[in-house]
Amino acid sequence: AQKVTQAQTEISVVEKEDVTLDCVYETRDTTYYLFWYKQPPSGELVFLIRRNSFDEQNEISGRYSWNFQKSTSSFNFTITASQVVDSAVYFCALSGGTNAGKSTFGDGTTLTVKP
Amino acid sequence: DVKVTQSSRYLVKRTGEKVFLECVQDMDHENMFWYRQDPGLGLRLIYFSYDVKMKEKGDIPEGYSVSREKKERFSLILESASTNQTSMYLCASSLPSGRGTDTQYFGPGTRLTVL
Repeated sequence: AQKVTQAQTEISVVEKEDVTLDCVYETRDTTYYLFWYKQPPSGELVFLIRRNSFDEQNEISGRYSWNFQKSTSSFNFTITASQVVDSAVYFCALSGGTNAGKSTFGDGTTLTVKP
Repeated sequence: DVKVTQSSRYLVKRTGEKVFLECVQDMDHENMFWYRQDPGLGLRLIYFSYDVKMKEKGDIPEGYSVSREKKERFSLILESASTNQTSMYLCASSLPSGRGTDTQYFGPGTRLTVL
């Protein structure tokens, strides 16, 4: 069975601080996808990034960066110079292999960025 | 842009009522999902549909049923609403695994209160 653990339930930072959201996953499949979604206060989950299990290259998009390490089964998300608009619930998810078509979500991390 | 819409943002119903939550997507996706989101419990899959008239139970199907008569529309039905079904309900859609990457696109959510 697949499992995603987001150990940080809530994180609070002050604007301009860097913050890392942790995600640890479990799967026996060799082919899978990892995702991060953002859920702002409005409620709609928004897709941020997808990585497949064969691509461990880290990715940077503006202030966002993702670190995928198969050796530690982790897919961490870092926001550099956080802003108030980054305040949201962030979900890490896993799909593929025996769970193809469906995703297993972590419980989410609530990030609050204070001005 | 993928667009997933849900019939209501907020809904208040009484115990015992039959409740219909509607979801429509405009990207010709085969897969559609209904999730329930509760504080501290993340996203829990209620039902999954991989084609018209096809459905599969998720993790918490008890007390719910679904209908998929057309590809673009996926309905969640609460046959007899109870107070423990008060929650945020999220609909999502995606391409099938063979043609996509399991990325899910979410609607804005329906916050249901059962009195």
